[in-house]
Amino acid sequence: AQKVTQAQTEISVVEKEDVTLDCVYETRDTTYYLFWYKQPPSGELVFLIRRNSFDEQNEISGRYSWNFQKSTSSFNFTITASQVVDSAVYFCALRGAFSAGKSTFGDGTTLTVKP
Amino acid sequence: DGGITQSPKYLFRKEGQNVTLSCEQNLNHDAMYWYRQDPGQGLRLIYYSQIVNDFQKGDIAEGYSVSREKKESFPLTVTSAQKNPTAFYLCASGPGTEQFFGPGTRLTVL
Repeated sequence: AQKVTQAQTEISVVEKEDVTLDCVYETRDTTYYLFWYKQPPSGELVFLIRRNSFDEQNEISGRYSWNFQKSTSSFNFTITASQVVDSAVYFCALRGAFSAGKSTFGDGTTLTVKP
Repeated sequence: DGGITQSPKYLFRKEGQNVTLSCEQNLNHDAMYWYRQDPGQGLRLIYYSQIVNDFQKGDIAEGYSVSREKKESFPLTVTSAQKNPTAFYLCASGPGTEQFFGPGTRLTVL
């Protein structure tokens, strides 16, 4: 069985602070994909990143960066110099390479960035 | 514009009634999915379809039904057998590993 744990239910920061959202996963698959999505108040999920299990290279995209550590089964997401527009619910998700599209989502972390 | 559309945005239903949620995509994706989201929780998979005229149950299929007669369309029917249907429903489609989501339908049972 697959499991995704986002232990931080809610995080509140002041604008310009850096913030890290944690994601820990469990899977028996040797090949899998990890995802982060952003859900603003409108409700639609916005795809942020996909990481393959065989690629542990960290990635940076503007103010966003992702740290994938297979040894600790973690895929953490850092926002640098947070902005009010970053306020949203963020979901981490896991999908086995041969799971026919079935993704397992964490319960989400609600990030509030205060001005 | 290419994308995924869901209608209606808000839906109210009386207990005992069936209701159908629409999901259409013009991205030419083979796979389509339906998820349910409850407050404070992640998404749970209801049904998914990898090809026209074929679909599989997800983790919480009881009380729901789907059809996939066209590549572009994957409607979800919430039947009276679903005991707690009030939730936010998200449709997604994807070419393979990625999934792209529609804006969602918020269903409330009165």
